[in-house]
Amino acid sequence: EAQVTQNPRYLITVTGKKLTVTCSQNMNHEYMSWYRQDPGLGLRQIYYSMNVEVTDKGDVPEGYKVSRKEKRNFPLILESPSPNQTSLYFCASSLRTGGYTEAFFGQGTRLTVV
Amino acid sequence: KQEVTQIPAALSVPEGENLVLNCSFTDSAIYNLQWFRQDPGKGLTSLLLIQSSQREQTSGRLNASLDKSSGRSTLYIAASQPGDSATYLCAVWGGSYIPTFGRGTSLIVHP
Repeated sequence: EAQVTQNPRYLITVTGKKLTVTCSQNMNHEYMSWYRQDPGLGLRQIYYSMNVEVTDKGDVPEGYKVSRKEKRNFPLILESPSPNQTSLYFCASSLRTGGYTEAFFGQGTRLTVV
Repeated sequence: KQEVTQIPAALSVPEGENLVLNCSFTDSAIYNLQWFRQDPGKGLTSLLLIQSSQREQTSGRLNASLDKSSGRSTLYIAASQPGDSATYLCAVWGGSYIPTFGRGTSLIVHP
């Protein structure tokens, strides 16, 4: 089954404690990205990756890191989480071929930083 | 920079009504447009994908149309049901293959 898998689904952590949210897709997609979703603000892109070893900042990259060492994985790293990073996070992937692209989303990670 | 606007932001209707959700975008040079459904606290589920060469797509009670020249798409929901209650988002893809999302329309269908 084609899917994007995020882990964990729920996470409560303390300020300053480094954490990683994993994202994996089994569709051989080149493009992967991370979003955060907050009430009233919609989906905001954090980072994206066009392919292995190619990453770039989205609209709200501050406080986040990513890496793309393999095509299927795109982890999101919070080196020193702060309460303003409490949010619902989504990973997405899509194929880029001849002008056609369709996005698939993970089920989300609800992060609370206290 | 591409901007996507969804109107209305919220909608509450009685069961059985036919609905139209609107999505407008500022840059008509898009590859495709995708409509999603999101239940509270859940992920985004793809409903319909319209490629730039297409005018509409249908799936069950859903019909999405695309008018690139005017920068508009509509999602038509026929005979709405309480189970249709969710937030509906549209996203457009331009030349960079980076999608731009609208903020969504929150729909409540009451019995």
